[in-house]
Amino acid sequence: DQQVKQNSPSLSVQEGRISILNCDYTNSMFDYFLWYKKYPAEGPTFLISISSIKDKNEDGRFTVFLNKSAKHLSLHIVPSQPGDSAVYFCAAMHEAGTALIFGKGTTLSVSS
Amino acid sequence: ETGVTQTPRHLVMGMTNKKSLKCEQHLGHNAMYWYKQSAKKPLELMFVYSLEERVENNSVPSRFSPECPNSSHLFLHLHTLQPEDSALYLCASSQAGVGEEWNSPLHFGNGTRLTVT
Repeated sequence: DQQVKQNSPSLSVQEGRISILNCDYTNSMFDYFLWYKKYPAEGPTFLISISSIKDKNEDGRFTVFLNKSAKHLSLHIVPSQPGDSAVYFCAAMHEAGTALIFGKGTTLSVSS
Repeated sequence: ETGVTQTPRHLVMGMTNKKSLKCEQHLGHNAMYWYKQSAKKPLELMFVYSLEERVENNSVPSRFSPECPNSSHLFLHLHTLQPEDSALYLCASSQAGVGEEWNSPLHFGNGTRLTVT
C-alpha cells in the first residue's frame, strides 16, 4: 500500500501562472517532507522541505504547505517558468525510519 | 568531482551475466542508499547503509547484492537478473544524524539505466 500518493500524474501550466502540485500521505508518523525535481536522464534534485512542526516553508518561487490534519502537502511554484518543466516527487520520512518514501511523481509542463 | 557519481550510466546485460554498479559520493556523508525506479512506479528503496553497516534490506531478491567498503563508495552486484529487473537504479547519500539533526535531504546520482535481455 502506497504511503505517499501523488494522484495527478501530470499538470500543464502557462508561463507566469501558479503551479500547484499535491501530495497525500497515510502514515501519521511521518514528520519530515521533501519535494524533489527530476529532469530526464538525471537523478532527482532536492528542492524544498518542511518539518511537521511548521505549516509553511518558502524558498524563492517555491512554497510548500503542510496540512497535518488532512495528511496533505502541496508545492506552489509562482511564477512558473518553462525551466520548471520536470517530474516532481513528494517524499516523506520519520525519525524512526531509515530512508525516504517517495510518491510516483507528477510531470509538470510549463508552456511559454 | 562533486556530488554523487554513478557508473556506468547505461548497462545492457544478459540474464546469465554478472555485473556491478558503482556509486561514489564526494559530500562527506555517512549514509548511502540504493533506490530502484521502474516505469510508472514510485522510487523503491532497496538498501541503506549507515556508517558502512547495512541497516535496511527492503525485501530485495538475493540476485542483488550490495557492498559498502567505506562511507564514500557503494556497489550493487548483479547476477542472474530477470528482464523485469530492467529499471533506473539510483544511488543517494545523506548525512544521517541523531537528535535534532536526524533529518537531512538525500542527494542522488544520475542513475544507471539497466536493461536485462
